[in-house]
Amino acid sequence: AQTVTQSQPEMSVQEAETVTLSCTYDTSESNYYLFWYKQPPSRQMILVIRQEAYKQQNATENRFSVNFQKAAKSFSLKISDSQLGDTAMYFCAFIGGSQGNLIFGKGTKLSVKP
Amino acid sequence: EAEVAQSPRYKITEKSQAVAFWCDPISGHATLYWYRQILGQGPELLVQFQDESVVDDSQLPKDRFSAERLKGVDSTLKIQPAELGDSAMYLCASSLGGLAGAYEQYFGPGTRLTVT
Repeated sequence: AQTVTQSQPEMSVQEAETVTLSCTYDTSESNYYLFWYKQPPSRQMILVIRQEAYKQQNATENRFSVNFQKAAKSFSLKISDSQLGDTAMYFCAFIGGSQGNLIFGKGTKLSVKP
Repeated sequence: EAEVAQSPRYKITEKSQAVAFWCDPISGHATLYWYRQILGQGPELLVQFQDESVVDDSQLPKDRFSAERLKGVDSTLKIQPAELGDSAMYLCASSLGGLAGAYEQYFGPGTRLTVT
């Protein structure tokens, strides 16, 4: 069975600083996708960034980037130049190549302080 | 920008009552998902539809939960009878479908259910 583990229940960072959120996963599949989703307070979940397992290059979206270590089954999210609007729950998620539903971690609550 | 619509946004019901949630996916999205998110945890899939057909309902408590997607567009999730442990956020998501993972899932705002 696939599992996703986020070991940091809560984190905080000063505005304009950089923060890294950790995620590890377990799967026997060779083809899969990894995601980071953001869920702001009382707002809907939105996709932050996506990584395809067969791509060696780490995905980047503006201030968000990932460190994908396939052998270690690690998928961390780095947020650069943190902004107050980055305050949210962040969920790491996985889809195997043969299934269509996301498997989520328990989330990391990120607070950006002014 | 097109969004996934859900209603109601909040629902309070008494134990043993029936409750229903509605979801309208983004137009053209063939795949629709219902997730349950318990406070402080990540969402967990309840049911997945491809058009009007159920693809995966292995985690749906079928003795009390039912879901349908007539005509392959909007969907209804029903709980009867509701139990205290059903208190959670119910999220609907949709995607274009096709190759698993290749298409982004778009989430609605959710329905917050409180069972008293």
